[in-house]
Amino acid sequence: GIQVEQSPPDLILQEGANSTLRCNFSDSVNNLQWFHQNPWGQLINLFYIPSGTKQNGRLSATTVATERYSLLYISSSQTTDSGVYFCAVEGDSSYKLIFGSGTRLLVRP
Amino acid sequence: DAGVTQSPTHLIKTRGQHVTLRCSPISGHKSVSWYQQVLGQGPQFIFQYYEKEERGRGNFPDRFSARQFPNYSSELNVNALLLGDSALYLCASSLYTGYTFGSGTRLTVV
Repeated sequence: GIQVEQSPPDLILQEGANSTLRCNFSDSVNNLQWFHQNPWGQLINLFYIPSGTKQNGRLSATTVATERYSLLYISSSQTTDSGVYFCAVEGDSSYKLIFGSGTRLLVRP
Repeated sequence: DAGVTQSPTHLIKTRGQHVTLRCSPISGHKSVSWYQQVLGQGPQFIFQYYEKEERGRGNFPDRFSARQFPNYSSELNVNALLLGDSALYLCASSLYTGYTFGSGTRLTVV
């Protein structure tokens, strides 16, 4: 099956700093999503981005499908950005999301 | 519009018991998926149902079963609970642009 690797596993930032999270996947996909899981366990959909670039406020994401990676950019980080960021992919005719192991982000005031 | 709703939010069961978790998808979504997330790991796929038919099943024992109703809501059933079944159970619905998850049911088996 498809393998999903995320890096870095842990990240500590000072409020206001920028960061880049990376997701590598091992095969072609028809869906790629970035999620933020808050301390209460809620998985919040940040981007549906099987290819291309999208921006939403301080967050943006880029997926280069031909090279099998995606990047999530967080600018001017805030303490509320803390939590775990997951990349998840869905292969062709797969009907299931495969999650990476996540990047645990802590933003300090 | 309401998002994906799950019930109950928390549940404590004794080893060997049976549990039923419920999920209502976003209105108009015909697909419902179930995931298990144990502490410190990413969610793992259990089932997907579409139009009341099972479309996919993950690597889980037969103690896990699910069904989807005509109104597209779904139930996940787990029999003969083990301590290792303690986890956050997440339901997701999807249409064309990805999956939306509910807040989950946190199951503790003692």
